Amino acid sequence: AAGVIQSPRHLIKEKRETATLKCYPIPRHDTVYWYQQGPGQDPQFLISFYEKMQSDKGSIPDRFSAQQFSDYHSELNMSSLELGDSALYFCASSLVTVNTEAFFGQGTRLTVV
Amino acid sequence: AQKVTQAQTEISVVEKEDVTLDCVYETRDTTYYLFWYKQPPSGELVFLIRRNSFDEQNEISGRYSWNFQKSTSSFNFTITASQVVDSAVYFCALSEAGDDTDKLIFGTGTRLQVFP
Repeated sequence: AAGVIQSPRHLIKEKRETATLKCYPIPRHDTVYWYQQGPGQDPQFLISFYEKMQSDKGSIPDRFSAQQFSDYHSELNMSSLELGDSALYFCASSLVTVNTEAFFGQGTRLTVV
Repeated sequence: AQKVTQAQTEISVVEKEDVTLDCVYETRDTTYYLFWYKQPPSGELVFLIRRNSFDEQNEISGRYSWNFQKSTSSFNFTITASQVVDSAVYFCALSEAGDDTDKLIFGTGTRLQVFP
């Protein structure tokens, strides 16, 4: 069965650079979530989209933005990267209308040097 | 406000021992969902179980079992006859049906080390 696909799997950027993470949800899922997991931390909710509209927002820095496109894939854009942005970024998708649980991608490990 | 507490930061056991991971949650919603995820060293989040707040039946899946008690706001996870492959960080999580979305609130995780 198709799963949530995230790309790239690993990314190394320098401070002040920009990074774009991509997420391809499970086909026909209507909701996408982004989570950030710092080293030794639990995943923290950043933002979610339902049917291409932002549906909820967590502790997402102003330097970050995200959107969901017409084909339902989502991108997380991070600018002016800081060392503290180094983390594992997870995307998850679900079908909220029938109340499925969220399925997670394998994550993108971002390292800022 | 919603909160998930996993008081055990790290647990070490020897193979074949039983181990219980504790999870206590706080929520004002009457309808909510509780989850357990496993995060092995490779980093992915592996879904283990979801329970809704109206279903307090305990569940068993192979060596895994879960004890949900609304009276104590707990959702504990037991691994019977642990194996080295069970070594991972385990997260308990909560989502509230009254939320705009079903975002997950995670506990801080319990690192389980199973030694041969």
